[in-house]
Amino acid sequence: DVKVTQSSRYLVKRTGEKVFLECVQDMDHENMFWYRQDPGLGLRLIYFSYDVKMKEKGDIPEGYSVSREKKERFSLILESASTNQTSMYLCASRPAGGGGYEQYFGPGTRLTVT
Amino acid sequence: QKEVEQNSGPLSVPEGAIASLNCTYSDRGSQSFFWYRQYSGKSPELIMFIYSNGDKEDGRFTAQLNKASQYVSLLIRDSQPSDSATYLCAVNKGGNQFYFGTGTSLTVIP
Repeated sequence: DVKVTQSSRYLVKRTGEKVFLECVQDMDHENMFWYRQDPGLGLRLIYFSYDVKMKEKGDIPEGYSVSREKKERFSLILESASTNQTSMYLCASRPAGGGGYEQYFGPGTRLTVT
Repeated sequence: QKEVEQNSGPLSVPEGAIASLNCTYSDRGSQSFFWYRQYSGKSPELIMFIYSNGDKEDGRFTAQLNKASQYVSLLIRDSQPSDSATYLCAVNKGGNQFYFGTGTSLTVIP
């Protein structure tokens, strides 16, 4: 069974704080993703990584950075949190290969920035 | 134009009925198509995927793909109250490019 875990289910931070969201997968997947999910906007891709130390910007990378130092771990960093980054953050992983492989999602982190 | 469009609903069906969920996509080069179920406050979980034209059945679920019309649907037969959730349609354009619809909220009334 694929397991994707995220470091926190709920997080409350203040404006201007540096925030780290951690994601770990245990299935040796090459690809890992960070999305945010907002009502009426669906899931939007922030960043993804296809290998250790490799990353690609998604649709909404502004205000975020990522780090992947080990294959199983993918971190999302909010350098200076703002209230418009209040959202549900979802991490996902998938194996390498063609488009037929689905993404496996973690439980999500609901971040509130006050 | 959005990559993936879904009717947000809410869609209500009585228990035991067939629920029909629809999704359209804009890029003819899209290669594979996924249906996820998401319960309130939870993360999406895969129901099924399809990449060939036609129907694909898995238990009470049937996915239908029509590439000419750029249309994907999910049918849920014998709907149960436990099927009440938001259903997300996702489209893969190759590699790691996934696009999600905003989801359709389904309520199954006992």
